[in-house]
Amino acid sequence: NAGVTQTPKFQVLKTGQSMTLQCAQDMNHNSMYWYRQDPGMGLRLIYYSASEGTTDKGEVPNGYNVSRLNKREFSLRLESAAPSQTSVYFCASSDRTVYTDTQYFGPGTRLTVL
Amino acid sequence: DQQVKQNSPSLSVQEGRISILNCDYTNSMFDYFLWYKKYPAEGPTFLISISSIKDKNEDGRFTVFLNKSAKHLSLHIVPSQPGDSAVYFCAEGNTDKLIFGTGTRLQVFP
Repeated sequence: NAGVTQTPKFQVLKTGQSMTLQCAQDMNHNSMYWYRQDPGMGLRLIYYSASEGTTDKGEVPNGYNVSRLNKREFSLRLESAAPSQTSVYFCASSDRTVYTDTQYFGPGTRLTVL
Repeated sequence: DQQVKQNSPSLSVQEGRISILNCDYTNSMFDYFLWYKKYPAEGPTFLISISSIKDKNEDGRFTVFLNKSAKHLSLHIVPSQPGDSAVYFCAEGNTDKLIFGTGTRLQVFP
């Protein structure tokens, strides 16, 4: 049981390049999330998917797109990378209920845009 | 507008003593709060949660207190251990997502 896995672990891009961050979970969770973490900013939600086939914008969606490929996989795409997108990206999943939403996080992808 | 605030960026505590991490919130329509712990180069891990109908929840060395009138949440760690040194995030659960605070870095020294 691997939990939430993310690839790649590290990536360096040049401004204007594109890339896709991959995320998969094996916990049969309905909900999946993408966050970015920047110094002093905490974890900010980029996009989320409450169930297979649905996606919604979070707090900082500009410059990103997502695809919920199936129940297990949720990818994040940067179409034209900018230095402001240098960050650590975390994927998470949960089986949220009315009473709680315990999210399980992947190990993160450290992205540098030059 | 930050809905969940952790006003102390860092905290240093001696091993064996109590660590108290604080969180303030503005939105009264929450359903629950959670605390996460994060080590360097790892993803956050869930620590403990509390629902809006409770004012205290305890799990081993960790206790979370909720003061709804003051819109204040605190995490107590007793006794503190060096392995507790990490960044701690509080998060508010509302509608279909979590809102995280900016985190407090706890250092437990011998």
